[in-house]
Amino acid sequence: DTGVSQNPRHKITKRGQNVTFRCDPISEHNRLYWYRQTLGQGPEFLTYFQNEAQLEKSRLLSDRFSAERPKGSFSTLEIQRTEQGDSAMYLCASSPVGGWEDTEAFFGQGTRLTVV
Amino acid sequence: GEDVEQSLFLSVREGDSSVINCTYTDSSSTYLYWYKQEPGAGLQLLTYIFSNMDMKQDQRLTVLLNKKDKHLSLRIADTQTGDSAIYFCAEGGGSYIPTFGRGTSLIVHP
Repeated sequence: DTGVSQNPRHKITKRGQNVTFRCDPISEHNRLYWYRQTLGQGPEFLTYFQNEAQLEKSRLLSDRFSAERPKGSFSTLEIQRTEQGDSAMYLCASSPVGGWEDTEAFFGQGTRLTVV
Repeated sequence: GEDVEQSLFLSVREGDSSVINCTYTDSSSTYLYWYKQEPGAGLQLLTYIFSNMDMKQDQRLTVLLNKKDKHLSLRIADTQTGDSAIYFCAEGGGSYIPTFGRGTSLIVHP
């Protein structure tokens, strides 16, 4: 297992376009998290899944954002009608069923989105 | 609301000890974490401490927790150039999903 994989690593898009990112968690990790990190800031929680169920969404996740994990394995994060303020690093993490409180959550290398 | 504060920069000489400080606000935090982020890489969990502990040591890393003052510190002994990175403090709130600070950039010079 090579860890949490995120694709693409970099994405440049024009304002108003839609983008989709993919995260492949570590095999058999039940929980999958999406975070956003802007320059000079720490990661901000967006949403998380336990298996295929989306259990929590942050207020940061506007109506233009949607995340799915249809089969409880990989997840996608889609941003519709991108805005320049969406430019950030989007981080994915996964953990076993114990979650953060019992075991380590592993982060991917992130997808850097630039909206021009 | 939840808030985690860290100083933004720390510069140390190779071989010296580094101490990175963090304050948090959520008194219900059960877990406090330290993550390391190197350029172009994801976050790596360095260590964590339960809220009922005062100290945890793991090789060159020592974590001190003052729950009364909501203050957390990470001490790196014998700091090496490979320790240069951004270090994030995070607290596990009631939802157990950590809230991160802005990160402290540690610069180690010869």
